[in-house]
Amino acid sequence: NAGVMQNPRHLVRRRGQEARLRCSPMKGHSHVYWYRQLPEEGLKFMVYLQKENIIDESGMPKERFSAEFPKEGPSILRIQQVVRGDSAAYFCASNPMSGATYNEQFFGPGTRLTVL
Amino acid sequence: AQSVTQLGSHVSVSEGALVLLRCNYSSSVPPYLFWYVQYPNQGLQLLLKYTSAATLVKGINGFEAEFKKSETSFHLTKPSAHMSDAAEYFCAVTKAAGNKLTFGGGTRVLVKP
Repeated sequence: NAGVMQNPRHLVRRRGQEARLRCSPMKGHSHVYWYRQLPEEGLKFMVYLQKENIIDESGMPKERFSAEFPKEGPSILRIQQVVRGDSAAYFCASNPMSGATYNEQFFGPGTRLTVL
Repeated sequence: AQSVTQLGSHVSVSEGALVLLRCNYSSSVPPYLFWYVQYPNQGLQLLLKYTSAATLVKGINGFEAEFKKSETSFHLTKPSAHMSDAAEYFCAVTKAAGNKLTFGGGTRVLVKP
């Protein structure tokens, strides 16, 4: 069973461009979380999604950021008009919400976004 | 609101010595607690978790943690450090399965030969 997949692993954007980060959860997992890790800081929750639904977006910045998890395909975190302060590592996690690991979140390798 | 405090952003230990990483939490309800390890430029890997069963939890790579409700602590220990333990360690809390994780600031462990 492949782990959580994220792509790209590294993304460079100039200020004002758009960034799209993709996350494919583990097989059978329908719950996806996005976290952001700023340099020298811990991870901060951004958004929690199930298929076609946003469950908790309390950590999402009010502007420029959006997330989706369509019925088919990966979850997408979209950042419009990026600024230098968006430079960070963005991690996706998935959760089976069943079985022995129902309360565990499995993390992907992250996408490291650099805004020039 | 939940919060997690990890005392010491950097810890240096000698190879073979005890590793002790401190984590204190605040939660309005009995929590689920986790320790994750992050190696450079990688994602987080679960070391162990507490989910209201045994208070002493054993994890991978020889790590264990003890849940102490009276002290609101969940400190991570390993009796004998190995060079491969050099990494950053994060304590996290959630109030219910499936909810968002709240992370501490992390503790970076350096292992000296």
